Amino acid sequence: AQSVTQPDIHITVSEGASLELRCNYSYGATPYLFWYVQSPGQGLQLLLKYFSGDTLVQGIKGFEAEFKRSQSSFNLRKPSVHWSDAAEYFCAVGPPSGGSYIPTFGRGTSLIVHP
Amino acid sequence: GAVVSQHPSRVICKSGTSVKIECRSLDFQATTMFWYRQFPKQSLMLMATSNEGSKATYEQGVEKDKFLINHASLTLSTLTVTSAHPEDSSFYICSAHGPRDEQFFGPGTRLTVL
Repeated sequence: AQSVTQPDIHITVSEGASLELRCNYSYGATPYLFWYVQSPGQGLQLLLKYFSGDTLVQGIKGFEAEFKRSQSSFNLRKPSVHWSDAAEYFCAVGPPSGGSYIPTFGRGTSLIVHP
Repeated sequence: GAVVSQHPSRVICKSGTSVKIECRSLDFQATTMFWYRQFPKQSLMLMATSNEGSKATYEQGVEKDKFLINHASLTLSTLTVTSAHPEDSSFYICSAHGPRDEQFFGPGTRLTVL
């Protein structure tokens, strides 16, 4: 069965500092990988996704993530964090299945941004 | 881009009543929609897969008689929480498979049962 681990429950950074959120997955083959962001009381917004090809994926809002097969990781990065980035971040994995999938979510990492 | 809406965004009801939550794909057709439940500070847990024109598929541990799902058209799925109790209070989120092989999520519905 597929699973996702986000080892950090909370991450605190200063505005303007760089950010890396960790995500490790367990799956027998190369899965679909996603990062979502959720602001308080809101639904999920897709930041980026990896299906195949280039292992460094660019997303919206200046985020990027790198798929590392050897480490079963898909860490999210941003070079300079803005106060508006404070939110809950979810990594998700979904097995390729005929063009559709049901993602399994990690427990989330709460990002706190200090001014 | 593809948009999924939910209605209502917030609902407060008395214990024992039923509440219906709607999930709509606004600019694309969705033969499959998904319903999730999210507890505070926790991840999304898949409750059921809603299939247009057929019965929903429920995840293990989810009571199908408690959480009624109807996917009556290619753009609408409804989740009815029957005889709601305070423990049903939660954030309910729907999603739908849309263009570019991507899932689109609704903004969520906050249910509070008194």
